Amino acid sequence: EAGVTQFPSHSVIEKGQTVTLRCDPISGHDNLYWYRRVMGKEIKFLLHFVKESKQDESGMPNNRFLAERTGGTYSTLKVQPAELEDSGVYFCASSQRQGIGELFFGEGSRLTVL
Amino acid sequence: KNEVEQSPQNLTAQEGEFITINCSYSVGISALHWLQQHPGGGIVSLFMLSSGKKKHGRLIATINIQEKHSSLHITASHPRDSAVYICAVADSNYQLIWGAGTKLIIKP
Repeated sequence: EAGVTQFPSHSVIEKGQTVTLRCDPISGHDNLYWYRRVMGKEIKFLLHFVKESKQDESGMPNNRFLAERTGGTYSTLKVQPAELEDSGVYFCASSQRQGIGELFFGEGSRLTVL
Repeated sequence: KNEVEQSPQNLTAQEGEFITINCSYSVGISALHWLQQHPGGGIVSLFMLSSGKKKHGRLIATINIQEKHSSLHITASHPRDSAVYICAVADSNYQLIWGAGTKLIIKP
């Protein structure tokens, strides 16, 4: 069974451009989470989907970030326009059960904004 | 002060040594995760704990809910165990609060 996959693995863009990151969770996992690590800091929560609905998006830093999960399958995280401080690694995770459910992580998408 | 504190931040040991990494947290939690990240790689979930102790191969994780403390132990450490080990706690809203990680290097 395929694990959580993320694309692209690395993206280099210029300030002001747009980037879209994609996460394919494990099939059947209703819960999908986005996290990011920037500037060598701790990983921080961004948002949580349950199927196609945003359960919690309190970690989204500002309105330049837009996450979607159409049809409750894969999710995209769009950054528009990208700023230098958005550089970091964006991780996606999925789980079958919320709460104490086991999390499965993707390899992460490294974003470099020049 | 971070809500999740790990110690040590860096640890270098010789192959075969017994390794302990500690995690203390200050919030109420529903579960605690230990995760592993290899250089340039993704994150792998090692354990999810809500009480007691779990063992998987040479890895052992314990949690003391009253003391808000967890430890990850590696027995008979090997160079392939070299990685960053991260403690993350799931709060009452099931959000993960992450520790800064412990960078472990095992020398042959």
